[in-house]
Amino acid sequence: GAVVSQHPSWVICKSGTSVKIECRSLDFQATTMFWYRQFPKQSLMLMATSNEGSKATYEQGVEKDKFLINHASLTLSTLTVTSAHPEDSSFYICSASPDRDRILKGINSPLHFGNGTRLTVT
Amino acid sequence: SQQGEEDPQALSIQEGENATMNCSYKTSINNLQWYRQNSGRGLVHLILIRSNEREKHSGRLRVTLDTSKKSSSLLITASRAADTASYFCATANTGGFKTIFGAGTRLFVKA
Repeated sequence: GAVVSQHPSWVICKSGTSVKIECRSLDFQATTMFWYRQFPKQSLMLMATSNEGSKATYEQGVEKDKFLINHASLTLSTLTVTSAHPEDSSFYICSASPDRDRILKGINSPLHFGNGTRLTVT
Repeated sequence: SQQGEEDPQALSIQEGENATMNCSYKTSINNLQWYRQNSGRGLVHLILIRSNEREKHSGRLRVTLDTSKKSSSLLITASRAADTASYFCATANTGGFKTIFGAGTRLFVKA
C-alpha cells in the first residue's frame, strides 16, 4: 500500500516553455505532498509543501512564480516549471504520507516517494 | 546539506562484507529515518528509530541512535550487489512535519 505515482518519468523541453509534473497518491488520500529537487550525486532539497485546497508553502529561495504548485484534490498535486531554463534541469521528486496526523501532531512519519521526473531543458 | 552530514560520501565494498554509514544532525528530533535510493529513482523508506530508542533491527539492517551526539549509523550486514544504492538519513524540521535529508552515502557493492 501507500503508492505514489509520478508522471512523466522524464521530459525534455525547450528553453522558455513550461512543463507540468503530476504526483498522485494511488491508494490513500494525501492532504499534504512534498516536492523535492535533486541535483546529480547530491541530496534532496525540499522545494515546497503542497496543501490540498490551499496555497503551497515554499522553502526559502524557491521562486513561487517559477514553480507553480496546485493541489486540487486529495490524490493529486502538480508542479509546473514555468518558462524553463537550462538551470532548471534537475530531478524532481514528490512524496506524501498516508498519516493524516502528520501536520496536526508535528510527526515526521515516513514518506512514500514517486519515482521522480528527470527534466532536461535545452 | 539542509540537515547534516553523512559519512562516508561514498563506500565501495565486496559482496558479503558489512557496510556502515554514519549520519549527524543538527536539531532535536522525535525520530530519525533512513531511506534508500536506487539510481534515477525515488526514495524508499527503510527504517525509523525513535528518539528514545538506541538501536533497531530490520532484517540485515541495524540502526543506532545517539541523541547526545546527534548521530546515527546504519549497518548493512552481509551486503549484496543489489544493495548498491544511495542511502540517506532524514529528520524533521523544527515544526516537525517536513522531512529533511542528509547528504547521503553512495554505496557500491562489488559482486
